[in-house]
Amino acid sequence: KAGVTQTPRYLIKTRGQQVTLSCSPISGHRSVSWYQQTPGQGLQFLFEYFSETQRNKGNFPGRFSGRQFSNSRSEMNVSTLELGDSALYLCASKYSDRVYNEQFFGPGTRLTVL
Amino acid sequence: EDQVTQSPEALRLQEGESSSLNCSYTVSGLRGLFWYRQDPGKGPEFLFTLYSAGEEKEKERLKATLTKKESFLHITAPKPEDSATYLCAVPPRGGATNKLIFGTGTLLAVQP
Repeated sequence: KAGVTQTPRYLIKTRGQQVTLSCSPISGHRSVSWYQQTPGQGLQFLFEYFSETQRNKGNFPGRFSGRQFSNSRSEMNVSTLELGDSALYLCASKYSDRVYNEQFFGPGTRLTVL
Repeated sequence: EDQVTQSPEALRLQEGESSSLNCSYTVSGLRGLFWYRQDPGKGPEFLFTLYSAGEEKEKERLKATLTKKESFLHITAPKPEDSATYLCAVPPRGGATNKLIFGTGTLLAVQP
């Protein structure tokens, strides 16, 4: 069974630009969550989607947004990039809505903002 | 505030030298505790879910245990391939969510 895939794997942008990251969950998984990982802050929750609905959003500015499609694939967008947005962006998928079920992470997209 | 704290931040072991990593949490009404392993430049890899105090789970040289306030990841006779960052995470208190609150991890280095 294929795991969570994320594209692109690496991205270099300049300040002020915008970027869109893509995540394809494990087949059959309806839940997708996004996290930002930096050396200083660790893994920080961005938002989660279940059946195309955003259920929770982390403490990030409105420049960070996302969506989920009917096939459960998800995208996140960051507008007006800042240097501090440089990070590893991780997507995780989960089969069900039950809090006890484990999430499976993709390899991440490494975003560098110059 | 829901919080997860891991210690030590870094641990260096000789091959075969057993040790334990700690994860303490302040979430009330715990709804599961998750352990992940992360290799450099990769996404976290799921290891264990613990549901209730007293529960234990094992996988190869790893054994995870859970009390009402903390979890331990015991590493028995580690090998160099066990070198990685080990993360623990918990769901926040209440509500329907798949959000996880992560600790900052323990960086484990096992030397041959």
